[in-house]
Amino acid sequence: DVKVTQSSRYLVKRTGEKVFLECVQDMDHENMFWYRQDPGLGLRLIYFSYDVKMKEKGDIPEGYSVSREKKERFSLILESASTNQTSMYLCASKSGSYEQYFGPGTRLTVT
Amino acid sequence: GIQVEQSPPDLILQEGANSTLRCNFSDSVNNLQWFHQNPWGQLINLFYIPSGTKQNGRLSATTVATERYSLLYISSSQTTDSGVYFCAVGADSNYQLIWGAGTKLIIKP
Repeated sequence: DVKVTQSSRYLVKRTGEKVFLECVQDMDHENMFWYRQDPGLGLRLIYFSYDVKMKEKGDIPEGYSVSREKKERFSLILESASTNQTSMYLCASKSGSYEQYFGPGTRLTVT
Repeated sequence: GIQVEQSPPDLILQEGANSTLRCNFSDSVNNLQWFHQNPWGQLINLFYIPSGTKQNGRLSATTVATERYSLLYISSSQTTDSGVYFCAVGADSNYQLIWGAGTKLIIKP
């Protein structure tokens, strides 16, 4: 069965902290994605990766970085968290042009 | 880029009713997916349907690629069907999906 997992369902961090969000997929997918979702703004792509150590900026990469050292793991890093990064973060993976599968999401609050 | 429009934006129905959600897209696509986002925020895959018709229980979907639209049918609605339904399309084999704004469905008991 398809599975994408995220390290935390809920996370509370302070302004200025470095934050790591981890995503792991067990489907041997080449492509992995990080989105954020905010009320009224829908899903917006932050970064994606089409192979190990490869990454591409999405629509809103500012304030974020990513790491993909292994095929199954894609990390989103907030170098210095700010209150405007309070959001729902969703990780996804897919192979080629086929179905994209999502993890359960992480609700991040930055205070 | 490709534009995706979903209609209606909101839909309120009584339990047992049937509904049709629509997704229009502005260019040729090789990927089209329907998702249901539940109240906890999880995005659940409903259909991968770049063309043709599929059915899964009370849900079915049809994509007419030549006319650039897809329909999601929900029959005999249940309260657990409530949530937001998203259509997302892709035109490149590796990269991002383009998302519609979603249809918020509320099923009243």
